[in-house]
Amino acid sequence: DAGVIQSPRHEVTEMGQEVTLRCKPISGHDYLFWYRQTMMRGLELLIYFNNNVPIDDSGMPEDRFSAKMPNASFSTLKIQPSEPRDSAVYFCASSLRGNTEAFFGQGTRLTVV
Amino acid sequence: AQSVTQLDSQVPVFEEAPVELRCNYSSSVSVYLFWYVQYPNQGLQLLLKYLSGSTLVESINGFEAEFNKSQTSFHLRKPSVHISDTAEYFCAVSDHYNQGGKLIFGQGTELSVKP
Repeated sequence: DAGVIQSPRHEVTEMGQEVTLRCKPISGHDYLFWYRQTMMRGLELLIYFNNNVPIDDSGMPEDRFSAKMPNASFSTLKIQPSEPRDSAVYFCASSLRGNTEAFFGQGTRLTVV
Repeated sequence: AQSVTQLDSQVPVFEEAPVELRCNYSSSVSVYLFWYVQYPNQGLQLLLKYLSGSTLVESINGFEAEFNKSQTSFHLRKPSVHISDTAEYFCAVSDHYNQGGKLIFGQGTELSVKP
């Protein structure tokens, strides 16, 4: 398996624009997580899904953030409108119930100018 | 609620010296504990984990960590570090009731190995 695949790897956008980050989890994994990493706040769990259903979105910072998982092999994290303080590295991770290891993608480095 | 505290944000050491990266956690339930490593511009990789059984766990590249329930700690150690160990290390916790791997991370410790 190729692991968790995220796209794009880098994204630079202007304030106010919509940004969509994409994630393909490892085939067969039934949990998917979105994390955000910043110098100030470290690694924060934004939202996670089980069998494509959002379980806990308490980490989503504002209504500008939304996440979807339309099927078992694809998830998106959308920011609309984006702001400079959203600049961070966003990681997607997946895991298999009963196996407590989460596998991380390479991350998307988002810069909002 | 669970939380993880990594007591050192940066740890500089010389090559071949021993190192300890400290991690304390708080939780009202039984937990699983993990150490992840992040190399520059990469995602996180699992280094080692404690689920149950022996409180001393080891990784394939010479790191070990010991679960101490009374002190709620899971410190990471290596007797002799290499330049290639330079990376950021994250301690994480998840509870026994969440088998899907929801992880709460510490702030990270930047290990810098100097020649």
